[in-house]
Amino acid sequence: QQQVKQSPQSLIVQKGGISIINCAYENTAFDYFPWYQQFPGKGPALLIAIRPDVSEKKEGRFTISFNKSAKQFSLHIMDSQPGDSATYFCAASILDYGQNFVFGPGTRLSVLP
Amino acid sequence: DAGVTQSPTHLIKTRGQQVTLRCSPKSGHDTVSWYQQALGQGPQFIFQYYEEEERQRGNFPDRFSGHQFPNYSSELNVNALLLGDSALYLCASTGKGLGNTIYFGEGSWLTVV
Repeated sequence: QQQVKQSPQSLIVQKGGISIINCAYENTAFDYFPWYQQFPGKGPALLIAIRPDVSEKKEGRFTISFNKSAKQFSLHIMDSQPGDSATYFCAASILDYGQNFVFGPGTRLSVLP
Repeated sequence: DAGVTQSPTHLIKTRGQQVTLRCSPKSGHDTVSWYQQALGQGPQFIFQYYEEEERQRGNFPDRFSGHQFPNYSSELNVNALLLGDSALYLCASTGKGLGNTIYFGEGSWLTVV
């Protein structure tokens, strides 16, 4: 129940295209869903996060869509750029439980120039 | 403003040995958590420290222990190292008013041979 599933494992997109990464969870107690971006040799960096009381959140080219009934959420990267090439992790946590995040296995995104 | 800093960046240990990893949180942060990231996988929560006490713990054996100092810096200790302990160890910090927004360091790469 603590698992967060993520797909696809890898993704190749042309420059200017839309990258879509999907995640699913089981634990309905989760109430905070962040996405992290990780470049090789670096620690993960927070991209965008959502609470389950909204269905969508947009920050620049990054959008999270959240479907509470399906227990799924996704990251959309619009106008993908080569600089977006990195590994993306979805995660989930229970706000009252502090920083005990459950991470998905990651998606390696490659944006071709 | 320095971010989360970790040391050492890389180290090699022999099976059965003990290792200590160090973390200085971002300025103004008082809560530190540790994660283990195996190659090609998402980070896994080890434990969280606040006010010099372990507040939460993930599914890791007692060989993994930690400490937080009065200046909020932290150490992760791993005893009786196993080959499977080879991973990137990430420290993350947060502070009052930041909710569940955590900032990761670049990690310490541990190789057990």
